[in-house]
Amino acid sequence: GEDVEQSLFLSVREGDSSVINCTYTDSSSTYLYWYKQEPGAGLQLLTYIFSNMDMKQDQRLTVLLNKKDKHLSLRIADTQTGDSAIYFCAENRYGGSQGNLIFGKGTKLSVKP
Amino acid sequence: KAGVTQTPRYLIKTRGQQVTLSCSPISGHRSVSWYQQTPGQGLQFLFEYFSETQRNKGNFPGRFSGRQFSNSRSEMNVSTLELGDSALYLCASSWGTGGNQPQHFGDGTRLSIL
Repeated sequence: GEDVEQSLFLSVREGDSSVINCTYTDSSSTYLYWYKQEPGAGLQLLTYIFSNMDMKQDQRLTVLLNKKDKHLSLRIADTQTGDSAIYFCAENRYGGSQGNLIFGKGTKLSVKP
Repeated sequence: KAGVTQTPRYLIKTRGQQVTLSCSPISGHRSVSWYQQTPGQGLQFLFEYFSETQRNKGNFPGRFSGRQFSNSRSEMNVSTLELGDSALYLCASSWGTGGNQPQHFGDGTRLSIL
């Protein structure tokens, strides 16, 4: 398909791990990004992965990339209430009417105490 | 290092008016992209400027325009405002163009049309 797809909602308990999944569209995308948006704020770059990598870890965040299936995931270990936000994945494309980054619709993560 | 700065944070306008939004990129970044975010449509790309030249343009009517100055600061203008223009307008900057450098976003301008 044409769209970057994500599930819309995820609910977890504080202390559990969260896994947010994303399916992207363009196998030639070289960079894939994860952004976080809190209420009333812009998008905060969390992490990104180059397409020749399978995994990237950054503190509590682990990104897994399956190029064959065009599947990207973000795992948040020891999820805290402050992690409640909307998470967007994005793939890069070079130009065109959609711009250089194609975003999914975002996954709203709710963390219950 | 200061982040991307957007002004103003909030704007209220009426139909038919025009509005100008401003974006100051991170120092050293030469590319500025603008997005419209609404609950129904999500993030939609408006345009990208690099070295004062428009590089890409999204599928928005001609009422939406922009420009970039020699110091990389950018403005976008919306004329003849419509109710459907109510949205969060986000600006993002990156060092280069092409999507292979991360884009860093400002906190946006919330535009409400009455």
